[in-house]
Amino acid sequence: DVVVTQSPLSLPVTLGQPASISCSSSQSLVHSDGNTYLSWFQQRPGQSPRRLIYQVSNRDSGVPDRFSGSGSGTDFTLKISRVEAGDVGVYYCMQGTHWPLLTFGGGTKVEIK
Amino acid sequence: QVQLVESGGGLVTPGGSLRLSCAASGFTFSDYFMAWIRQAPGKGLEWVSYISINSRTIYYADSVKGRFTLSRDNAKNSVYLQMNSLRADDTAVYYCASVGSSSIAYWGQGTLVTVSS
Repeated sequence: DVVVTQSPLSLPVTLGQPASISCSSSQSLVHSDGNTYLSWFQQRPGQSPRRLIYQVSNRDSGVPDRFSGSGSGTDFTLKISRVEAGDVGVYYCMQGTHWPLLTFGGGTKVEIK
Repeated sequence: QVQLVESGGGLVTPGGSLRLSCAASGFTFSDYFMAWIRQAPGKGLEWVSYISINSRTIYYADSVKGRFTLSRDNAKNSVYLQMNSLRADDTAVYYCASVGSSSIAYWGQGTLVTVSS
């Protein structure tokens, strides 16, 4: 089974400063079709998750360009260029390459210092 | 706009059953795989089950295999999760979700299932 690991578990950040979350997979996430199915989700306190990024680096509609995704193969990163108060929550990565076993990372809690 | 509205959650005793429903609107339901994902209190996200467009492919996590049954009705834009032999560790918020391009495009607001005596 593919294991997806996020770090850090908790990320205290100063408002206006950048933040970076890592996601690593135990197997390459490059699909046989050439695409890499790695997504990022944000879950604000008390809310449902919301997708931010799909296929490594594609931002969803309405997602601020402060959020960016990068990476390849087994290692991926979500970056927030300038953290705002509304960014507080838990962030999850998810691999969609290895059907039928789709896997979430354990989550990274972003909080304000 | 896209809406996924779950219903059917509640309190049930161990060994009991519940049926969750999800009503979809705002997109072409019959074009999307549909899924249920759960989140135990204070924990992360876990895939429970997903179903293909024509219901020919259905996946269950090992933790629910043999106890849960997923189905869909494209005419009613709805998906259903029949949960039997419920255990305490099934306690969670259950989210309905649409799956496209090997990712989750949309999530419902969730319905809480509590298994307790």
